[in-house]
Amino acid sequence: KAGVTQTPRYLIKTRGQQVTLSCSPISGHRSVSWYQQTPGQGLQFLFEYFSETQRNKGNFPGRFSGRQFSNSRSEMNVSTLELGDSALYLCASTTVGGNEKLFFGSGTQLSVL
Amino acid sequence: DQQVKQNSPSLSVQEGRISILNCDYTNSMFDYFLWYKKYPAEGPTFLISISSIKDKNEDGRFTVFLNKSAKHLSLHIVPSQPGDSAVYFCAASGSSNTGKLIFGQGTTLQVKP
Repeated sequence: KAGVTQTPRYLIKTRGQQVTLSCSPISGHRSVSWYQQTPGQGLQFLFEYFSETQRNKGNFPGRFSGRQFSNSRSEMNVSTLELGDSALYLCASTTVGGNEKLFFGSGTQLSVL
Repeated sequence: DQQVKQNSPSLSVQEGRISILNCDYTNSMFDYFLWYKKYPAEGPTFLISISSIKDKNEDGRFTVFLNKSAKHLSLHIVPSQPGDSAVYFCAASGSSNTGKLIFGQGTTLQVKP
């Protein structure tokens, strides 16, 4: 069974640009969550999608948005990039929304110059 | 407001000895706690969890203890092995049915041969 796949693996953008990150969950998983990891801050929850609906949202500005498609694949978008958005963005999937078995992808490392 | 705190950024132990990683939380509504392990360039992987109705959960070399009155949990690894060297994240949730987890900042464990 394939794991959670995130693309691209690395991304370099400049301030003011926008970026779209992609996540393919484990087959059969309907819940997809996104997290931001920065040094010293741990992992911070961005949002969770379940059956194409946003179910939970973290404390991030509106520049961060996401969506989920009917095949459970998810994308997150960051508009008007700031230097502080440089981080590892992790996607996690699970079966019926339970957090015990959150499976994470390897992440997308975003650098904003 | 850091609701989940791991106050030790790093820990170094000798192979074969016990590793104890600590985590404190402030939100009394949390009722589900998890530990994740992360190697460089990989996503976090689930280690062990505990519900608030229990005070101990064991899985092989890993044991998690929960002290609700002190709002404290700990992960014990016995015996520690060099392959256990990684970053360990404590996480908490108000429900077992959500992809939204509140993570601590992480503790880097180094197990010396």
